[in-house]
Amino acid sequence: DQQVKQNSPSLSVQEGRISILNCDYTNSMFDYFLWYKKYPAEGPTFLISISSIKDKNEDGRFTVFLNKSAKHLSLHIVPSQPGDSAVYFCAASVGTYKYIFGTGTRLKVLA
Amino acid sequence: GAGVSQSPRYKVAKRGQDVALRCDPISGHVSLFWYQQALGQGPEFLTYFQNEAQLDKSGLPSDRFFAERPEGSVSTLKIQRTQQEDSAVYLCASSFPGSYGYTFGSGTRLTVV
Repeated sequence: DQQVKQNSPSLSVQEGRISILNCDYTNSMFDYFLWYKKYPAEGPTFLISISSIKDKNEDGRFTVFLNKSAKHLSLHIVPSQPGDSAVYFCAASVGTYKYIFGTGTRLKVLA
Repeated sequence: GAGVSQSPRYKVAKRGQDVALRCDPISGHVSLFWYQQALGQGPEFLTYFQNEAQLDKSGLPSDRFFAERPEGSVSTLKIQRTQQEDSAVYLCASSFPGSYGYTFGSGTRLTVV
């Protein structure tokens, strides 16, 4: 029973365009959501987060949207850059310490 | 240190061998976590420490897995009698308590042959 799902294993986007990565969840008790970025042979790096009391959080080129009624969140990257090419994981938690991760989406930004 | 340090980076073990994986968290980070990432999957929670106290070990897959953090800093994840299904990347992370988002190390890739 996967509580956090990333249904697109991969995504290719042209440099300068918008990348949209999607994530669905099933547990309505989740109160915090995060996105991590992972390069090969490195650990995941925290990117951006959102609390369940908000529906949008922005940090530079990265914006996370949360739709609680649909149990859906998305990460928008604008404009996309070749250095954004990585695997992106969404994660959710009840409380602060134990995260449930999705299976990841591999983003490739084409120059 | 500047980041979370894990050693070894790679470990090949024969089935039935015991292994020990080390994690050196960021100085001052009270909370420490271990996750297991199988190929093509996201990280899965194994266990959580606050200082030397193991507050949650609900993710440890069997009693062959054991984690400790005796002095509240360095942690060791021990796997006894390794099996092929234990092959994965083992990630350690640390944070201040109550903070969202933690810092991961680069992981130890364990291959059981």
